[in-house]
Amino acid sequence: GAVVSQHPSRVICKSGTSVKIECRSLDFQATTMFWYRQFPKQSLMLMATSNEGSKATYEQGVEKDKFLINHASLTLSTLTVTSAHPEDSSFYICSASILTLDTSTDTQYFGPGTRLTVL
Amino acid sequence: GEDVEQSLFLSVREGDSSVINCTYTDSSSTYLYWYKQEPGAGLQLLTYIFSNMDMKQDQRLTVLLNKKDKHLSLRIADTQTGDSAIYFCAESGRRGKLQFGAGTQVVVTP
Repeated sequence: GAVVSQHPSRVICKSGTSVKIECRSLDFQATTMFWYRQFPKQSLMLMATSNEGSKATYEQGVEKDKFLINHASLTLSTLTVTSAHPEDSSFYICSASILTLDTSTDTQYFGPGTRLTVL
Repeated sequence: GEDVEQSLFLSVREGDSSVINCTYTDSSSTYLYWYKQEPGAGLQLLTYIFSNMDMKQDQRLTVLLNKKDKHLSLRIADTQTGDSAIYFCAESGRRGKLQFGAGTQVVVTP
């Protein structure tokens, strides 16, 4: 249980185009979904927190007009990188949280990540 | 501020035990987590520990928590080549957010 998928796993696009990444919780309804960015050999940087039906909360320094998040249902969140540039090339990982009964707290389960390369 | 620190690299022989250490600063953390990341993949939740516990064992994994010193460790018994990966510790902060360490790369040698 607690499987999270991302699509696509890898995408190459031209500078100036927009790219949409999907994050789905396959066997559970997620309380909250999170979007992270990871640079090579570095830790995960939280970009935004997303709840179904409401606007995403962005971390300081993350441009909300650049990284559009739509959380259409309890099992689907999308991240759109608008007008992508080479500096947006990175590994994007989503997570979905679910209330874990034995801990009475939300536990995050991660997707496999999406490698974005902007030429 | 909130910070999580880990050693960056660990080399261990196959069959030996690995110990990965982590320190954190946020004393209000309720849960602490260990995640594993293989190359090009997402994070896999390995185990977690509640902050009022001092030890948790799950098969080959043992988590030790010293809340006074804000020190967390993950011991992997009988380390195998498949354990080679990056291991992240994380603490649960405010509003369900996770604060991650930089990750420890574990290399298992034959």
